[in-house]
Amino acid sequence: DVKVTQSSRYLVKRTGEKVFLECVQDMDHENMFWYRQDPGLGLRLIYFSYDVKMKEKGDIPEGYSVSREKKERFSLILESASTNQTSMYLCASSFGISSYEQYFGPGTRLTVT
Amino acid sequence: GQQVMQIPQYQHVQEGEDFTTYCNSSTTLSNIQWYKQRPGGHPVFLIQLVKSGEVKKQKRLTFQFGEAKKNSSLHITATQTTDVGTYFCAAADNNDMRFGAGTRLTVKP
Repeated sequence: DVKVTQSSRYLVKRTGEKVFLECVQDMDHENMFWYRQDPGLGLRLIYFSYDVKMKEKGDIPEGYSVSREKKERFSLILESASTNQTSMYLCASSFGISSYEQYFGPGTRLTVT
Repeated sequence: GQQVMQIPQYQHVQEGEDFTTYCNSSTTLSNIQWYKQRPGGHPVFLIQLVKSGEVKKQKRLTFQFGEAKKNSSLHITATQTTDVGTYFCAAADNNDMRFGAGTRLTVKP
């Protein structure tokens, strides 16, 4: 059974804190993605990675960075959390960038106060 | 860049009624995928359409890809309470994929 796991389901952080969200997949997928989901805006791509140590900006990368040191792990970093980064964060993995289905993790609901 | 519009944003139906959500792209697509997200859950892949004019069925769900490969629809016949959730299209254009904003379906028993 394919699995994408995320480090936390719920997280509360203060403005200015550094925040790490981790994602692990067990399917040996090359591609991993970070999205944020907000009501009425759907899923917006923050960053994706197509290989270890490789990363590409998505539509809304500002205020975020990522790290992929191992194939199975993709981390999203908020260097200095702000209240407008309060959102649901979803990680996904796939064999391809656009031609294969994406498998999503359960999501992390981040609240920045 | 590619723009993906999905309508309607919300749809409330009586159980047994039909439901349709539409996805429109500003560019010609290589494929389109559909996902369902149950309340409190995460998006789960339903299907992928690749060919112009393609129609695929999964029980009460019918998926269509437009002839020009710029639009798609998902139709549910005789909705059930288990159909509640948000349905997303994901439009792929070369090596780029964009999700629509989703259509949230509620079903009144």
